Amino acid sequence: DTGVSQDPRHKITKRGQNVTFRCDPISEHNRLYWYRQTLGQGPEFLTYFQNEAQLEKSRLLSDRFSAERPKGSFSTLEIQRTEQGDSAMYLCASSLEAQYGYTFGSGTRLTVV
Amino acid sequence: GNSVTQMEGPVTLSEEAFLTINCTYTATGYPSLFWYVQYPGEGLQLLLKATKADDKGSNKGFEATYRKETTSFHLEKGSVQVSDSAVYFCAPAQGSARQLTFGSGTQLTVLP
Repeated sequence: DTGVSQDPRHKITKRGQNVTFRCDPISEHNRLYWYRQTLGQGPEFLTYFQNEAQLEKSRLLSDRFSAERPKGSFSTLEIQRTEQGDSAMYLCASSLEAQYGYTFGSGTRLTVV
Repeated sequence: GNSVTQMEGPVTLSEEAFLTINCTYTATGYPSLFWYVQYPGEGLQLLLKATKADDKGSNKGFEATYRKETTSFHLEKGSVQVSDSAVYFCAPAQGSARQLTFGSGTQLTVLP
């Protein structure tokens, strides 16, 4: 069990650029989640995959955001035409059975300048 | 949707003091309840959980009891240590995705 890995740890981008983040969950975990955390706040749910199927998306996930989990293993989160308001920590988590809690990765900190 | 109200911080205590961080939630049905902790510069870690009414979750000296009648899940520790300094988040999980709804977090600082 190597934990949930996220890459990159930090990303600085100019407004209007596209960015993509990667998450590698714990290998046997079939559930994968993306959350966003802004400074001083708790994380907010963005989207959820069970295996390769994206089953829920938050209203926070605008059309500029897209997430994939093509083979039910790693996942990517892409933000197109980034805006300063997208600056946040993007957290990935995985679980086998959600009622027992998730394992979170260390996050990708995005700064849009 | 679900919502969580957590005790506002920051909370500053001396080592060996008693800790309570209040958490109340609104939810439909009976969610599973979690406390997560975020140490400085680190990711979120699951601290403890309770999945049904009257369950008590415990870990590392921390405890919280699932109180259905008051929709609360207060976090307690009898004697805090400097190493407990962190941000604590209460979060019910509900829905088919079992998504977590986090409170705003409570910053705890323990002084030696």
